[in-house]
Amino acid sequence: AQKVTQAQTEISVVEKEDVTLDCVYETRDTTYYLFWYKQPPSGELVFLIRRNSFDEQNEISGRYSWNFQKSTSSFNFTITASQVVDSAVYFCALSSASGYALNFGKGTSLLVTP
Amino acid sequence: KAGVTQTPRYLIKTRGQQVTLSCSPISGHRSVSWYQQTPGQGLQFLFEYFSETQRNKGNFPGRFSGRQFSNSRSEMNVSTLELGDSALYLCASSLGRGGYNEQFFGPGTRLTVL
Repeated sequence: AQKVTQAQTEISVVEKEDVTLDCVYETRDTTYYLFWYKQPPSGELVFLIRRNSFDEQNEISGRYSWNFQKSTSSFNFTITASQVVDSAVYFCALSSASGYALNFGKGTSLLVTP
Repeated sequence: KAGVTQTPRYLIKTRGQQVTLSCSPISGHRSVSWYQQTPGQGLQFLFEYFSETQRNKGNFPGRFSGRQFSNSRSEMNVSTLELGDSALYLCASSLGRGGYNEQFFGPGTRLTVL
């Protein structure tokens, strides 16, 4: 069975602070995919990144960066110099290569205040 | 390219009624998945449709059903509504099958059951 744990329910930071959102996953598959989605108040889930299990390279996209470590089954997401527009709920998700559904964590609600 | 659209955006129903939600995927996308989002259970997979066939279903009772049309548009139906069915219902489309595909989500339909 697959499981995604986002232990941080809510995080509040002041603008320009760096913030890391944690994601720990469980799977017996050797090939799997990890995702991060952002859900702003409007409700739509916005795709941020996909990473397959064979690619442990960290990725940076602007102020966003992701750290994938198979040894600790973690796929953490860091926002550098946070902005108010980053306020949203962030979901980490997992799927297998042969799977058909995304298994989501419970999400982390991030509030960035001016 | 137009995104995933869902109609209606909001619905209020009473217990015992039935409801139909609609989803139009991104043009060219053949796979449509539905997810239910509630505060308690988070995001849960409902079902996946591909080529007008339900390929997979999550752990939901038979009151939840759906279909997909030849143009890939999909509808989901919930009969004999219960209070616990109040949720945000999200539709996602992707080019192909498989959870590894990037899924694009619509804004959701917020259903309230009174």
